[in-house]
Amino acid sequence: GNSVTQMEGPVTLSEEAFLTINCTYTATGYPSLFWYVQYPGEGLQLLLKATKADDKGSNKGFEATYRKETTSFHLEKGSVQVSDSAVYFCALSERSTSYGKLTFGQGTILTVHP
Amino acid sequence: NAGVTQTPKFQVLKTGQSMTLQCAQDMNHNSMYWYRQDPGMGLRLIYYSASEGTTDKGEVPNGYNVSRLNKREFSLRLESAAPSQTSVYFCASSDSIPGTSENEQFFGPGTRLTVL
Repeated sequence: GNSVTQMEGPVTLSEEAFLTINCTYTATGYPSLFWYVQYPGEGLQLLLKATKADDKGSNKGFEATYRKETTSFHLEKGSVQVSDSAVYFCALSERSTSYGKLTFGQGTILTVHP
Repeated sequence: NAGVTQTPKFQVLKTGQSMTLQCAQDMNHNSMYWYRQDPGMGLRLIYYSASEGTTDKGEVPNGYNVSRLNKREFSLRLESAAPSQTSVYFCASSDSIPGTSENEQFFGPGTRLTVL
């Protein structure tokens, strides 16, 4: 079956540091890959996505590249801010499954200090 | 345009009590989902509804029932609550198209449930 594995957290950084959160996946077909972010006390919201190999998703300074050869979709940001403190979830959706069901990683807590 | 709304936001139950979590979306989406979120386990799918009138089990359906009341509303019922059902519950919706995989899911703010 499908699975998503994220780097274990929590991750604690100083403001303006470089961020990488690793994500690898297992899927039998041709998945789309997503990063969702959850701010304290809120639901999840889509941060970025990529739908085929070598696509790069980007939003709000975050980037992730769909690497089929390494089955990875690592999240990066060059300079984090305090406001980026949140929980980040990597997820996949496979075309062969019904109606866009998502498989999530366990989430990575990011805390950014001033 | 409120997106996905959930009620209640917080609930405390005693073991054996029942309750229904309500979810509604105003985006005219076909598909709706119920997840539970537990520390270190990400989100796990409880039930989903691909379209109005259909429901299917997800990864962790035991102890839950659902009703897709109409296109807008999708409720989750706990018939006899257990402490293991203490969790945060999220409803989501998407405009999923069969045979595709790129549709974004939109999430509600969650219901924090404690079962004593």
